[in-house]
Amino acid sequence: ETGVTQSPTHLIKTRGQQVTLRCSSQSGHNTVSWYQQALGQGPQFIFQYYREEENGRGNFPPRFSGLQFPNYSSELNVNALELDDSALYLCASSLATGSYGYTFGSGTRLTVV
Amino acid sequence: QKEVEQDPGPLSVPEGAIVSLNCTYSNSAFQYFMWYRQYSRKGPELLMYTYSSGNKEDGRFTAQVDKSSKYISLFIRDSQPSDSATYLCAMSANSGNTPLVFGKGTRLSVIA
Repeated sequence: ETGVTQSPTHLIKTRGQQVTLRCSSQSGHNTVSWYQQALGQGPQFIFQYYREEENGRGNFPPRFSGLQFPNYSSELNVNALELDDSALYLCASSLATGSYGYTFGSGTRLTVV
Repeated sequence: QKEVEQDPGPLSVPEGAIVSLNCTYSNSAFQYFMWYRQYSRKGPELLMYTYSSGNKEDGRFTAQVDKSSKYISLFIRDSQPSDSATYLCAMSANSGNTPLVFGKGTRLSVIA
């Protein structure tokens, strides 16, 4: 199977709740990154995982956390949801070394009400 | 000042026109420059990737990087209605899995 798959595609949550988003990497890719794309904005880097460890983080608070599993799939968890967390959450997989290339999934559209 | 500036448009052109999309940046450490295309309700798709300064051509698409001016461009020749999408510039300091810094994206509509 090729490509990055994300689930769910859409989600509506209430302020204060917690959410988990899931991502399956492209076959052969060992690094997963998560980005947040607010409406009308470019994607913003949240964090990246390699070999099940976080190895880079953008300017996001600790209530944004993640996991990477031995099969390179990943989860993004957001606690204490705020209205401003409403966005498209994108997962991108890549190889840690070698030629450049991120493959993005279609994203999860999260709405916080 | 944001690290990467991109005019959000929207930009509307007739079919067959030449389209010019641009970004400026402030971080001189950026060496890798990319253009992504994003259709509605989809993730970004890599169109062009350029290292350092220079031009790169792929079919109807040409990417240009001028590091001395901190300015990058994407040209689309013979634009088609199927080119209607949001175009995002992105940059990074290193290759591999270095985080990308994106522009806001420019919405392009090509009218038949």
